[in-house]
Amino acid sequence: ELKVEQNPLFLSMQEGKNYTIYCNYSTTSDRLYWYRQDPGKSLESLFVLLSNGAVKQEGRLMASLDTKARLSTLHITAAVHDLSATYFCAVEDSGGGADGLTFGKGTHLIIQP
Amino acid sequence: DTEVTQTPKHLVMGMTNKKSLKCEQHMGHRAMYWYKQKAKKPPELMFVYSYEKLSINESVPSRFSPECPNSSLLNLHLHALQPEDSALYLCASSRLVFGQDEKLFFGSGTQLSVL
Repeated sequence: ELKVEQNPLFLSMQEGKNYTIYCNYSTTSDRLYWYRQDPGKSLESLFVLLSNGAVKQEGRLMASLDTKARLSTLHITAAVHDLSATYFCAVEDSGGGADGLTFGKGTHLIIQP
Repeated sequence: DTEVTQTPKHLVMGMTNKKSLKCEQHMGHRAMYWYKQKAKKPPELMFVYSYEKLSINESVPSRFSPECPNSSLLNLHLHALQPEDSALYLCASSRLVFGQDEKLFFGSGTQLSVL
């Protein structure tokens, strides 16, 4: 059974600071997703990471994937209040697609002015 | 069109009611999914349809009955639900074989309350 663990589950930080969210998963998978969810809203896709060593950046967010360590990180640089949300990582159970995703428990991020 | 449209956005129903959730996409995706998300929890996979056939049922109680009448539509029929079934129900779609940067597209969800 695929398990996906995120930490921390809750993070309160000040604007301007840097921080990293970690996502570990239990079985081999070549595809990892990061999603953002605002309260009462659906999931917004942030990144799809496809291979070992993949790194993607969008604004103040940067995601990386180490398939050997089964670890992905989401790094936040110089946080701003608008980044407050819940962030989920998710992994496919097997390669190729259409098996659905297993999500981590999510990291509830609050960025304070 | 890169949207997955879900209706209704909100639904309140009694335990004896029968209702349906609807999901529609026009991206040519042949895989469609239902996820359930309780408050402050991650989404949990319920069903996967591939080529309009049910391919994955994650041991969901029979009071939830999915239906995929064609390649663009996905329904979730609800009957005799329990209060603990109150949740956000998310529909998603994707290609069957993932290419570069492929992802699941999620709808905005139906917030269901069972009284």
